[in-house]
Amino acid sequence: AQSVSQHNHHVILSEAASLELGCNYSYGGTVNLFWYVQYPGQHLQLLLKYFSGDPLVKGIKGFEAEFIKSKFSFNLRKPSVQWSDTAEYFCAVNARSRDDKIIFGKGTRLHILP
Amino acid sequence: EAQVTQNPRYLITVTGKKLTVTCSQNMNHEYMSWYRQDPGLGLRQIYYSMNVEVTDKGDVPEGYKVSRKEKRNFPLILESPSPNQTSLYFCASSPTRGDGYTFGSGTRLTVV
Repeated sequence: AQSVSQHNHHVILSEAASLELGCNYSYGGTVNLFWYVQYPGQHLQLLLKYFSGDPLVKGIKGFEAEFIKSKFSFNLRKPSVQWSDTAEYFCAVNARSRDDKIIFGKGTRLHILP
Repeated sequence: EAQVTQNPRYLITVTGKKLTVTCSQNMNHEYMSWYRQDPGLGLRQIYYSMNVEVTDKGDVPEGYKVSRKEKRNFPLILESPSPNQTSLYFCASSPTRGDGYTFGSGTRLTVV
């Protein structure tokens, strides 16, 4: 069965630190990949997505993610985090097959210290 | 403004009392879905709809019903709510099934 793993459940960083959140998926075929952010008390918002082409994807708020097909990974990065980046981050994968289902990871809580 | 609208935002009810959470989108999206979010479990899909009159079960459909009579609306029905359905519920829509979602603001349901 397809699955999505986010290895870091809770990350604490200081402002201006660099961020990398891991996401790995298990599916051997073609995929669409997503990162969503959920600020405290709010709904999920799409940060960025990858369908095809350049494996380095730039999203909103200075985030980017790199798709590494050989590693089945789609890690989220930001060079310098801000206190306002405190949120929960979800990786999601769509296996582009007959099933075509989107599966979410369990999320990573990011806490930025001012 | 393009959006997914859910109502109510908060709901406290008693076991067994039927309830409906409404969801409406104004983007002419084909695909709509319901998720529940629980601590430590992330988002789990309850039901989804590929188009009008086409619905199917997600990962956790037990105890829920949906309907898609119009493209814009996708209500979630709990015929006989139980305490284990206490959760945060999100409706989402997308142009196609594999595309990025637009989420509603969520409905926090408590069943006592």
